[in-house]
Amino acid sequence: NAGVTQTPKFRVLKTGQSMTLLCAQDMNHEYMYWYRQDPGMGLRLIHYSVGEGTTAKGEVPDGYNVSRLKKQNFLLGLESAAPSQTSVYFCASSLGWTSGGPSQETQYFGPGTRLLVL
Amino acid sequence: AQSVSQHNHHVILSEAASLELGCNYSYGGTVNLFWYVQYPGQHLQLLLKYFSGDPLVKGIKGFEAEFIKSKFSFNLRKPSVQWSDTAEYFCAVSPAVSNTGGFKTIFGAGTRLFVKA
Repeated sequence: NAGVTQTPKFRVLKTGQSMTLLCAQDMNHEYMYWYRQDPGMGLRLIHYSVGEGTTAKGEVPDGYNVSRLKKQNFLLGLESAAPSQTSVYFCASSLGWTSGGPSQETQYFGPGTRLLVL
Repeated sequence: AQSVSQHNHHVILSEAASLELGCNYSYGGTVNLFWYVQYPGQHLQLLLKYFSGDPLVKGIKGFEAEFIKSKFSFNLRKPSVQWSDTAEYFCAVSPAVSNTGGFKTIFGAGTRLFVKA
């Protein structure tokens, strides 16, 4: 049981280049999230998904796109990287809302991807 | 708008000192509350959580937190810190009942704790 994994661990891009970050979870979680972590700003939600085939914008979605074609995978794309996107990106997953019950929103995080955009 | 405020950005303590990290949130509904910890070079992991019941919750490694509803607070405490507690600590809030999706988990800016040996 690997939990949440992310690839790659580290990447350097030039301004204008594109890339895709992959997140995978093996816990059969419904919800998945992409965050960015910047010094002094905590974690900010980029996009999230409440199930296979669905995505939604978070707090800072501009410049990013996502896809959730399979329940276990959540992809984050940067179409044209900018230096402002230099950050550490974390993927997380959670069980999500249980039918008729309380939220089960404990999130499980991946190890992160360090992205440097020059 | 919903928000989470952590009062201290940096805390430096000596080993065996007591710790209290403040966390306040703004949200009118029923909430779940979390503290996550990020050790140097590692990813975030859950330290403790409050869903319902006893407002004093205990987590791993001797940490505890108290939910005071009237103060919208969820402060983290540990009676005696160790060097290995050096980490960044994040408070987080999520709604406790299903909503239309407008409010997901919100994280505070984090508190960096450094414990001197």
